[in-house]
Amino acid sequence: DVKVTQSSRYLVKRTGEKVFLECVQDMDHENMFWYRQDPGLGLRLIYFSYDVKMKEKGDIPEGYSVSREKKERFSLILESASTNQTSMYLCASSLGGSHKETQYFGPGTRLLVL
Amino acid sequence: GENVEQHPSTLSVQEGDSAVIKCTYSDSASNYFPWYKQELGKRPQLIIDIRSNVGEKKDQRIAVTLNKTAKHFSLHITETQPEDSAVYFCAASIGGNDMRFGAGTRLTVKP
Repeated sequence: DVKVTQSSRYLVKRTGEKVFLECVQDMDHENMFWYRQDPGLGLRLIYFSYDVKMKEKGDIPEGYSVSREKKERFSLILESASTNQTSMYLCASSLGGSHKETQYFGPGTRLLVL
Repeated sequence: GENVEQHPSTLSVQEGDSAVIKCTYSDSASNYFPWYKQELGKRPQLIIDIRSNVGEKKDQRIAVTLNKTAKHFSLHITETQPEDSAVYFCAASIGGNDMRFGAGTRLTVKP
């Protein structure tokens, strides 16, 4: 079974803090993704990465950055947390390539920014 | 970029009835269309997917249809059961890389 883990299930931070969310997958997947999930808005893509040190912007990259130094780990960074970044953050990974598109999600991190 | 719209946002059916959820996409180059189910408090999980070279795919009580010309695809659940109650997301992508999801449909199956 594919296992995708996220560093925290719940996180409370203050406005202006730098926040690190980490995601690790153990199946040697090429692709990794960060989404935020908000009621009525579904899953919105923040960033994705299709290889080590590679990253691509999704639909809502503003206020976020990412790092992928190792294949199994994809970090989401909130440079200066703001209250409008309070959300559920979901990480996902996929093997990549034709017929290997299935994304496997982590359990999510519920972030509250005060 | 790709834009996916999903309807309805909520759907309530009686146990045993059918449920249909519809999605439209904007990028004609999209070729992969998965459906994910998210139960309360759990992570989304793939339930079925379809590729652009196929018009319909079925897996037991679940089927998905794709109309490439109209750029829409639908999820059909027959003989619904209470355990089908969840939020369902459609998505579209080119080769699975930059996946775009719909806003979700909350399905409630009443016993």
